[in-house]
Amino acid sequence: QVQLQESGPGLVKPSETLSLTCTVSGGSISSYYWSWIRQPPGKGLEWIGYIYYSGSTNYNPSLKSRVTISVDTSKNQFSLKLTSVTAADTALYYCAREVGRENYPTHYSFDYWGQGTLVTVSS
Amino acid sequence: DIQMTQSPSSLSASVGDRVTITCRASQSISTYLNWYQQKPGKAPKLLIYVVSTLQSGVPSRFSGSGSGTDFTLTISSLQPEDFATYYCQQSYSTLRTFGQGTKVEIK
Repeated sequence: QVQLQESGPGLVKPSETLSLTCTVSGGSISSYYWSWIRQPPGKGLEWIGYIYYSGSTNYNPSLKSRVTISVDTSKNQFSLKLTSVTAADTALYYCAREVGRENYPTHYSFDYWGQGTLVTVSS
Repeated sequence: DIQMTQSPSSLSASVGDRVTITCRASQSISTYLNWYQQKPGKAPKLLIYVVSTLQSGVPSRFSGSGSGTDFTLTISSLQPEDFATYYCQQSYSTLRTFGQGTKVEIK
């Protein structure tokens, strides 16, 4: 059973950099897309971006200038960095695996999620 | 961006009721549509992918339909464990987007 676990500071000061890591267990990080998704308290889901195990990335244009997602296949981990944070970046941050289907290889869906980690931006 | 709009934003229903949630895309997304269920304090859970295919372990009372811009999630007979928030999500565009969610509450 694949499991994802987010880790990182729960409190970040305004203007600083938010850094989170997602550790994948029970399966290999290879051959899949890995995403970060966030959810402000009481609000909906916002996709931040994904990384393929090979290192190619795709980011939400609304965050692109501040986001970097990286992967470490040797540790079965991928990471998120979000720079110049403000209170608007306060959210529950999830990591998730995105998978295509055998009969629909380009139809992707998020089949495994981490439990989420709350990051508060405050001085 | 492809905007995903769900209706209603919330609904009250009783156990045993048939519930339908609608999701509309701002442009055609063919069949690149998924549904998720989120309970309070929990991560979203994949229910349905490619419009109508149930994820493993999801009860058959859940079903999905649609294509192009208009999609529906139906719960044929609402159970106590189904009270949650439901999100649609498109993977047609490389910019993944979610609907705003539909909260299903107990009547």
